[in-house]
Amino acid sequence: SQELEQSPQSLIVQEGKNLTINCTSSKTLYGLYWYKQKYGEGLIFLMMLQKGGEEKSHEKITAKLDEKKQQSSLHITASQPSHAGIYLCGAGTGGGGADGLTFGKGTHLIIQP
Amino acid sequence: GAGVSQTPSNKVTEKGKYVELRCDPISGHTALYWYRQSLGQGPEFLIYFQGTGAADDSGLPNDRFFAVRPEGSVSTLKIQRTERGDSAVYLCASSRAGGASGELFFGEGSRLTVL
Repeated sequence: SQELEQSPQSLIVQEGKNLTINCTSSKTLYGLYWYKQKYGEGLIFLMMLQKGGEEKSHEKITAKLDEKKQQSSLHITASQPSHAGIYLCGAGTGGGGADGLTFGKGTHLIIQP
Repeated sequence: GAGVSQTPSNKVTEKGKYVELRCDPISGHTALYWYRQSLGQGPEFLIYFQGTGAADDSGLPNDRFFAVRPEGSVSTLKIQRTERGDSAVYLCASSRAGGASGELFFGEGSRLTVL
């Protein structure tokens, strides 16, 4: 089965600083999804990457997909308190097949004022 | 509704009891997923419905777990003879397209505590 490893497991960053979260897959990636979860709440969709080399941005968050390395990175520029939460990467296990996403364990991000 | 609705938001039960958790997906979404999230872990896939049928139930941990979606909309996750290890947040998600080709919209989850 596919496994997704996220690093770091937790991250404490001073407000205004940049940060990067990584997600590495044990198998070929067929679509990589980034979600954010506030403590005690459901998951909020951030971005979906489907092609190697693809890069997407939303506000101050940028995600990239390196298909060869079976890896994706999420970069936050000039972090703000609203960025705090758990960031989860999820991946499909087949080419758009009828299955659910497999998720990593998440990266806990804390923003220090 | 505007989003995926899950009830109850919190459920405390005793070991051995039967529990039902309900998910009301976004109107028009044909795909519905159940996940389980334990403390400090990512969501773990349980079952996926496309319409009324369970397209993939490979994530259900054992035969105490069962889910239905009789009319292709609301789904109920049923847990028999609950065990303390079943304590977790049960998340429901829906999407327009099935499989990993579309964004999943998640509910806020049902927190189950088995004493």
